[in-house]
Amino acid sequence: NAGVTQTPKFQVLKTGQSMTLQCAQDMNHEYMSWYRQDPGMGLRLIHYSVGAGITDQGEVPNGYNVSRSTTEDFPLRLLSAAPSQTSVYFCASSYSNAREAFFGQGTRLTVV
Amino acid sequence: ILNVEQSPQSLHVQEGDSTNFTCSFPSSNFYALHWYRWETAKSPEALFVMTLNGDEKKKGRISATLNTKEGYSYLYIKGSQPEDSATYLCADYRDNTDKLIFGTGTRLQVFP
Repeated sequence: NAGVTQTPKFQVLKTGQSMTLQCAQDMNHEYMSWYRQDPGMGLRLIHYSVGAGITDQGEVPNGYNVSRSTTEDFPLRLLSAAPSQTSVYFCASSYSNAREAFFGQGTRLTVV
Repeated sequence: ILNVEQSPQSLHVQEGDSTNFTCSFPSSNFYALHWYRWETAKSPEALFVMTLNGDEKKKGRISATLNTKEGYSYLYIKGSQPEDSATYLCADYRDNTDKLIFGTGTRLQVFP
């Protein structure tokens, strides 16, 4: 079973470049979320979706866009990368937030 | 309590010791409390999801309790082993949002 798949695993960007982090799940989960992990900060919610066509902002949404055109996919777009966006990004999915979340393997992003 | 808070931030114990950590969360609009285990260089994995006041859950040597009226949960590890070394995260879901918000975690190191 694939579960939650994130691509790429590693990425280096120059300041000002844009890119899309991909996230796909094959468990037919309605809920999908993007988190970033920074030292001493735990996991902070960037954006989330409760179903196809529905997205909303989390704790730290600035500089990121999302869309949810299908149940399976939830891409995260960095519009104009900044060094402050250097982080490890995790995508997660679940049937609902009252059920356990499954995490992808993470994307380590460095912005220089 | 306005946010999810975990204590202590880190813990060092000897193999065989029993230990416990605390997760505090806002008691208003409570819906669910999650615990995750996060090993270095891996993705978080769910331990428990609890929804009812007084809930107690157990998985092997790890157990958790929940007090929704006062807004706290305890995670207990009996007879710690080196393989228990990880960061333990809690997250809460309130029924007036669709957000799963994480604390900053407790980092446990178990020495042989």
